[in-house]
Amino acid sequence: DIQMTQSPSSLSASVGDRVTITCRASQVLRNDLGWYQQKPGKAPKRLIYATSSLQSGVPSRFSGSGSGTEFTLTISSLQPEDFATYYCLQHNSYPFTFGPGTKVDIK
Amino acid sequence: EVQLVESGGGLVKPGGSLRLSCVASGFTFSSYTMNWVRQAPGKGLEWVSAITSSSSYMYYADSVKGRFTISRDNAKNSLYLQMNSLRADDTAVFYCARDDYSNFPFDYWGQGTLVTVSS
Repeated sequence: DIQMTQSPSSLSASVGDRVTITCRASQVLRNDLGWYQQKPGKAPKRLIYATSSLQSGVPSRFSGSGSGTEFTLTISSLQPEDFATYYCLQHNSYPFTFGPGTKVDIK
Repeated sequence: EVQLVESGGGLVKPGGSLRLSCVASGFTFSSYTMNWVRQAPGKGLEWVSAITSSSSYMYYADSVKGRFTISRDNAKNSLYLQMNSLRADDTAVFYCARDDYSNFPFDYWGQGTLVTVSS
């Protein structure tokens, strides 16, 4: 099975900050990596698919990049509604695996 | 509008069984791979199972293999998860989620249904 790690596990940031979250896989993923945002008590929401493709309706301040085993989610200018937990997901092979999550809260 | 509505959660004793349902609307259900994803209280997301559009292939997480069975009824636009031999560590909110038309995972999610396994 492919193992996923994320860093940091949590971060505190201010509105307007640039935020970068890193996800690492135990095997090469091609571009089979997505990013999801979850707010408390809500279902997750897809932000990015295929490493760097922006989900329709998601603000352009979100972007994804990477290749091989290392991938990043960047929020170019953090907004109040972006405080949430972010998960990466590999779908290169079953069983699909999520990263452990990165909680972004207000500094 | 795409909608996924789960039901069937509840309190069950260890060793018991439960069947979850997810009713889909707003899209051609029979054309899409569907999944179950769960989240234990205060924990991260865990993919549980997937089933292809015509039920040709089913996939399971190691943690549920042999105990859970995924199925679908395309005529009823419904996805199911039969859960047997439930354990305390199966306690979670269970979400159904759709793969998109290009088979990238989880473009739409249901609101979730809570399963609690406790004596």
